[in-house]
Amino acid sequence: GAVVSQHPSWVICKSGTSVKIECRSLDFQATTMFWYRQFPKQSLMLMATSNEGSKATYEQGVEKDKFLINHASLTLSTLTVTSAHPEDSSFYICSARDRRRGASKATNEKLFFGSGTQLSVL
Amino acid sequence: GEDVEQSLFLSVREGDSSVINCTYTDSSSTYLYWYKQEPGAGLQLLTYIFSNMDMKQDQRLTVLLNKKDKHLSLRIADTQTGDSAIYFCAESLYNFNKFYFGSGTKLNVKP
Repeated sequence: GAVVSQHPSWVICKSGTSVKIECRSLDFQATTMFWYRQFPKQSLMLMATSNEGSKATYEQGVEKDKFLINHASLTLSTLTVTSAHPEDSSFYICSARDRRRGASKATNEKLFFGSGTQLSVL
Repeated sequence: GEDVEQSLFLSVREGDSSVINCTYTDSSSTYLYWYKQEPGAGLQLLTYIFSNMDMKQDQRLTVLLNKKDKHLSLRIADTQTGDSAIYFCAESLYNFNKFYFGSGTKLNVKP
C-alpha cells in the first residue's frame, strides 16, 4: 500500500522557536496533502489543504502566518510552526491523497496518513 | 464543517464481535471510511464504502451503510486484543477536497 513518511516523530522546543515538520509520499505522487491537528482524546481537526505548486487553503480559525505550509513538489509538503508557544503543543498528522492517473476512482479517493508528530513546546 | 459523530468508548471481550457506530449529517457524502489509530501513531485505512452500497465485507470487517438514516457501522468479528485502538469514521464529500472525521471510538478488548 501507499506509504506516507512524516518526520520528525516527536520534537521538543523552546517557546518562541520555529519547528518544521515534513510529510513525504514515498511511492506515489500526491498533488494534495492535508494537515491535521489532534488534541488528546479528540478527533482530527483539519488545519489546511496543501496543493502542489500553489498556496495552501486554510480552515477557518487557523492562522496562516503561524502555520506555514509549503508544497514544493509532488512528494513533499512541510508545515512550519512559527514562534511556537505552549498552546501549540499537539499531535500533528499529515495525509496525502493518491491521485494516480488511470487508477480506479476508489483508489483515487484513498487518504493515507503519516505516523504523526508530537510537538511539545516548553 | 460537517458533523460526524461516534460514541467515545466500547469495551468487549476477546472473541466477541465489536460494533462501532457512526452518524453523519451530509447526504452528499460520496465515500465513507474507517480508520484505525494505535497509540502514538497515524491513521491506518481499514476499509471504505461507496455511498451507493449497503454493505461491504472484508475478512473480519463488515461495513454497513444506511444512507437514509445517515448511519455507518463497522463490525469486527472475533475481536482480538490487537484490535484495541481508536477507530475513526470519516466521510468525503462530492468534491473530494475534504475529509471530515468523527471524534473516534476507543475500543478496549479484554482478554
